[in-house]
Amino acid sequence: EVQLVESGGGLVQPGGSLRLSCAASGFIVSSNYMNWVRQAPGKGLEWVSIIYSAGTTYYSDSVKGRFTISRDNSKNTLYLQMNSLRVEDTAIYYCARDESSGWHLDQWGQGTLVTVSS
Amino acid sequence: QSALTQPASVSGSPGQSITISCTGTSNDVGIYSLVSWYQQHPGKVPRLMIYDVTRRPSGVSNRFSGSKSGNTASLTISGLQAEDEGDYYCCSYAGANTLVFGGGTKVTVL
Repeated sequence: EVQLVESGGGLVQPGGSLRLSCAASGFIVSSNYMNWVRQAPGKGLEWVSIIYSAGTTYYSDSVKGRFTISRDNSKNTLYLQMNSLRVEDTAIYYCARDESSGWHLDQWGQGTLVTVSS
Repeated sequence: QSALTQPASVSGSPGQSITISCTGTSNDVGIYSLVSWYQQHPGKVPRLMIYDVTRRPSGVSNRFSGSKSGNTASLTISGLQAEDEGDYYCCSYAGANTLVFGGGTKVTVL
């Protein structure tokens, strides 16, 4: 069974850092395009970042220079390192798979909540 | 990376058909046939309903269909059912290795 399980969310002060993890089972992370998508409380979905199977990474303008997407092939796990966090980064963060590399997200994790507040 | 434009809400009676529009620009929806649609029930994870403008993943009802004309994509739900209530988001490849979502549409079954 294909499954994505996020962890690492929590409460952090503005300017702080947090690392999210997304453990995959049932498929190989490094063979797929993997994404992070976030959803602020009561708001819509916002694409955050992608890592290609080749390892190339891209980011939305809102997080570029502050967030880093990566993966550990030995652990079949995706990560999102978030630095210089702002109040507006408060959201549920979902990892999502794009199996066919066709820019659509066919499998989503349950999400992990990140709250940035003093 | 401006969000795609969707109506805030759409409603219909059981059995009716409704259509949700998704307006982008010539830099995203208008130039790429890489539009997808996601359904999200309250407190739940988004679910892929349509991809590549018109294609349905396995397991998605054929009551859901997609189309595109110019810079606007559309999702049509026919034979509306109570279980179709929820939020719907369009999404498009926006070039430069990025995705852009719409603001979301709340579907209400009257």
